[in-house]
Amino acid sequence: AQSVAQPEDQVNVAEGNPLTVKCTYSVSGNPYLFWYVQYPNRGLQFLLKYITGDNLVKGSYGFEAEFNKSQTSFHLKKPSALVSDSALYFCAVRDGSGGYQKVTFGTGTKLQVIP
Amino acid sequence: GAVVSQHPSWVICKSGTSVKIECRSLDFQATTMFWYRQFPKQSLMLMATSNEGSKATYEQGVEKDKFLINHASLTLSTLTVTSAHPEDSSFYICSAGTSGGRTDTQYFGPGTRLTVL
Repeated sequence: AQSVAQPEDQVNVAEGNPLTVKCTYSVSGNPYLFWYVQYPNRGLQFLLKYITGDNLVKGSYGFEAEFNKSQTSFHLKKPSALVSDSALYFCAVRDGSGGYQKVTFGTGTKLQVIP
Repeated sequence: GAVVSQHPSWVICKSGTSVKIECRSLDFQATTMFWYRQFPKQSLMLMATSNEGSKATYEQGVEKDKFLINHASLTLSTLTVTSAHPEDSSFYICSAGTSGGRTDTQYFGPGTRLTVL
């Protein structure tokens, strides 16, 4: 079984400050990891993914995430937060070890950037 | 690229009626489409996975006779909520992948808000 944990329901950060949204995962095989963002009453938008290669993954809108195998984490980061970054962020994982495996989403973290 | 649309974006219906939601991949061929349900302040719950030309695979606990899924072409999948009741009110989101079951990235539609009176 695979699972994703987003330990914070909400993260508040001042505009211009760095932000981190935490995610830890559990999967039996090779982890394929994703971050998506959702604005109110909208579908999810893909931000970035880790499949293999460099542990630091750069994505859309200045976001990046670091894959840490020993800590089974894939935290989302941005050096300088914008008010427009305020949204709901979902971390997701699937087992990439051959064959089809569905994607499991975390419960989401609401990011509030304060002007 | 990789745009997915959903129609309608919102719908209100009376209890007992059926509602059809369309999911289209606009600029790519989607061999696999996924249907999710999202409750307020909760994560996405996968309802079913559909591959073009074959029957959908439903997740445990999802009634396949109530939530009918058709994936008739590489660009269109439909979800029909039959005999809808107020407890079916939710936000329904589809997504599409381009590599069959091994899709690495899902492209999501904007969602459909269903309210059953």
